[in-house]
Amino acid sequence: DAGITQSPRYKITETGRQVTLMCHQTWSHSYMFWYRQDLGHGLRLIYYSAAADITDKGEVPDGYVVSRSKTENFPLTLESATRSQTSVYFCASTGTGDGELFFGEGSRLTVL
Amino acid sequence: SQKIEQNSEALNIQEGKTATLTCNYTNYSPAYLQWYRQDPGRGPVFLLLIRENEKEKRKERLKVTFDTTLKQSLFHITASQPADSATYLCALDFTGGGNKLTFGTGTQLKVEL
Repeated sequence: DAGITQSPRYKITETGRQVTLMCHQTWSHSYMFWYRQDLGHGLRLIYYSAAADITDKGEVPDGYVVSRSKTENFPLTLESATRSQTSVYFCASTGTGDGELFFGEGSRLTVL
Repeated sequence: SQKIEQNSEALNIQEGKTATLTCNYTNYSPAYLQWYRQDPGRGPVFLLLIRENEKEKRKERLKVTFDTTLKQSLFHITASQPADSATYLCALDFTGGGNKLTFGTGTQLKVEL
């Protein structure tokens, strides 16, 4: 089906483990984004990508790594998870530099 | 620093009334501003985009205004329905390009019968 999908939807892990959240979109959008959403902070940008092989940091990039070898995929890796990374993570994409974002359904991550 | 402020208190209104939500921002002159709706457990969904040279924009029962002098956007839902109950987020790109949006914390709207 067309759209933007995230996996896993729910993940529980332990402090220090590596976790990868996957994001896949079928529109061939150039721009992709990772946000985290926490109570009291709203959505905060972690990383974004303007095209394949082009990524840059957002507001809260520490502890996260991204890659974008293919236009349609934008995985987010927590190299050594910490409790403060417990959050809901949203992936988004857009085809233009000044238009609407299309969000996935979110990945709820709990770090114990 | 650049900041977006939305009323953190929930807004409760009666069905059929007009809901008005406020978004204030500081220290920037954005080229455009966006509004999103978010339901519990779901990702945000785009509603409207208004550009700096547009004072008002409408889409069905929705209306957005953009006052760049006051640094404020108002979001109106007319003839509100219980199905309009959700959290509404405003968003700006403070970086000047690439659609790297900063979101407000949102205002929860509850429409009661």
